[in-house]
Amino acid sequence: TQLLEQSPQFLSIQEGENLTVYCNSSSVFSSLQWYRQEPGEGPVLLVTVVTGGEVKKLKRLTFQFGDARKDSSLHITAAQPGDTGLYLCAGAGRGSTLGRLYFGRGTQLTVWP
Amino acid sequence: ETGVTQSPTHLIKTRGQQVTLRCSSQSGHNTVSWYQQALGQGPQFIFQYYREEENGRGNFPPRFSGLQFPNYSSELNVNALELDDSALYLCASSLRSGGAGRADTQYFGPGTRLTVL
Repeated sequence: TQLLEQSPQFLSIQEGENLTVYCNSSSVFSSLQWYRQEPGEGPVLLVTVVTGGEVKKLKRLTFQFGDARKDSSLHITAAQPGDTGLYLCAGAGRGSTLGRLYFGRGTQLTVWP
Repeated sequence: ETGVTQSPTHLIKTRGQQVTLRCSSQSGHNTVSWYQQALGQGPQFIFQYYREEENGRGNFPPRFSGLQFPNYSSELNVNALELDDSALYLCASSLRSGGAGRADTQYFGPGTRLTVL
């Protein structure tokens, strides 16, 4: 059972389109991290968001942490084929679970030229 | 690259065997976490090591065990391998800053692909 639900599970779009990936949970996290993973490789950190309501921009990627620190979204503007990959969100535990990350199942993004 | 290295890259074992996976953490990091990622799933937390002691464990049986060494590198040992243990095993390193209530950002290695036949 995944503590974090990601949607959509698969996304296939044309180059130049915009997209949003959602990450939802009923649990509160101390922070939330977004990773991108290529086949057979480890996840690569994109961003960490900590404060409820926080918005971070990384070039064409915009990350938002929900006010209650339970959910997050990733928006990509003008997607490019190089954005193709598995996008994972991970919530960081609190209290007795501090230090562990709870991952969603990921969103597999394919951007066609 | 994160500076986190794992060995071996790939491994094939048979049911009942034992396996040891290794991880070298990023320079300056003192905490290592291990995750199991089955095909089509997100990584699942196995356990974390800080100052050579286990510091938190996920829902994995005792046949999954680990070690952390004084140089902060780590090993994951799995005994009595089962078919369902086939997965990508990921190691992540982080720097525990000592602040209360906030987890530290984790940086992942490339993983070890374990296949159990």
